[in-house]
Amino acid sequence: DGGITQSPKYLFRKEGQNVTLSCEQNLNHDAMYWYRQDPGQGLRLIYYSQIVNDFQKGDIAEGYSVSREKKESFPLTVTSAQKNPTAFYLCASSIPASGSYNEQFFGPGTRLTVL
Amino acid sequence: AQRVTQPEKLLSVFKGAPVELKCNYSYSGSPELFWYVQYSRQRLQLLLRHISRESIKGFTADLNKGETSFHLKKPFAQEEDSAMYYCALSGRTSGSRLTFGEGTQLTVNP
Repeated sequence: DGGITQSPKYLFRKEGQNVTLSCEQNLNHDAMYWYRQDPGQGLRLIYYSQIVNDFQKGDIAEGYSVSREKKESFPLTVTSAQKNPTAFYLCASSIPASGSYNEQFFGPGTRLTVL
Repeated sequence: AQRVTQPEKLLSVFKGAPVELKCNYSYSGSPELFWYVQYSRQRLQLLLRHISRESIKGFTADLNKGETSFHLKKPFAQEEDSAMYYCALSGRTSGSRLTFGEGTQLTVNP
């Protein structure tokens, strides 16, 4: 599949620890996104970045942090402040920005379990 | 605020039967609507968007601004259509970000 990769596929963390989820894309896309997928709640936007060195909070940013130092990378840190971190996390990317929509391409996801 | 609602969490039909997955939205402007699909053990992917007005894998969806709906339809369901379907909305003021509905798990029985 290529394009967007997320690692690891499964991640276990002890309560109180921070953990970083990796997302890399080789599609030369400007915009990248992090979603959380929970049964019955659909996909909820955590953070997004439309350009390198810039990012915005989504709908459920509390307890998460991101960085966008390189165009191809958008790591997500789940901090100990996130009250319910066990979930499936999806990363996506798309070409642009500038107020127009383009298709979002999704990674395979990382399932995080807090023990 | 923009919102997308998919009233059915689960939908089960028999092969060859018509299928309709419902999607309603709220947005104070002209939205762009999409359907994304996630087959078992595959990535979430775009199925179709209202702007292109095309039929993909036999599915169509018409944007009804009066009823604020974007229902996904297929006249004859196939077993390979079994998947999770998400309706999504993008607004002019929200740039490239999408708002997703809760999703509908479609099962097509033989």
